[in-house]
Amino acid sequence: NIVMTQSPKSMSISVGDRVTMNCKASQNVGNNIAWYQQKPGQSPKLLIYYASNRYTGVPDRFTGGGYGTDFTLTINSVQAEDAAFYYCQRIYNSPNTFGAGTKLELK
Amino acid sequence: EVQLVESGGGLVKPGSSLKLSCVASGFTFSSYGMHWIRQAPKKGLEWIALIYYDSSNKYYADSVKGRFTISRDNSKNTLYLEMNSLRSEDTAMYYCAKLEFDYWGQGVMVTVSS
Repeated sequence: NIVMTQSPKSMSISVGDRVTMNCKASQNVGNNIAWYQQKPGQSPKLLIYYASNRYTGVPDRFTGGGYGTDFTLTINSVQAEDAAFYYCQRIYNSPNTFGAGTKLELK
Repeated sequence: EVQLVESGGGLVKPGSSLKLSCVASGFTFSSYGMHWIRQAPKKGLEWIALIYYDSSNKYYADSVKGRFTISRDNSKNTLYLEMNSLRSEDTAMYYCAKLEFDYWGQGVMVTVSS
């Protein structure tokens, strides 16, 4: 089964900074990757699908990229409300494995 | 408005069974595959099962294969997860989600403890 590895595990960023987090698939998954944001006590929210497509209503400061095995989620000009866990996931083919997540904290 | 509402969770003993439900509204339930995903306390997300729109195909994570069964009743707009031989490591919040993971329920807690 494909393993999704996210890095870093956590990061502490100031409001207004740009941040990039990574997701590496153990095999080529093409562009079949999604990114989610999850805040404490809430269900995950879809941000990006098929690696680079922003979901409806997601602010354009969120950008997804990559293909094959290496993927990124970039947040330009981080806002206070972006403090959350972020997960990548293989989509389209099952098992739809998630990465372990990246915790984004604000300084 | 799309809504997914899970129910059926609770505290159960190891080795016992439990059946979760997820009632869908706001979209044509019978046209979409559906997933179950879980999240152990303070842990990450774990995909556990997928069922096609017509129940023709079902897929499971290795961690639940042979113990959990996903099913659906399109006449009732309801998705199910039957969980048998429950273990302490099955303790988690269980979410249902629409095929493309664009809509998730609020989750239902399952605690397996003696």
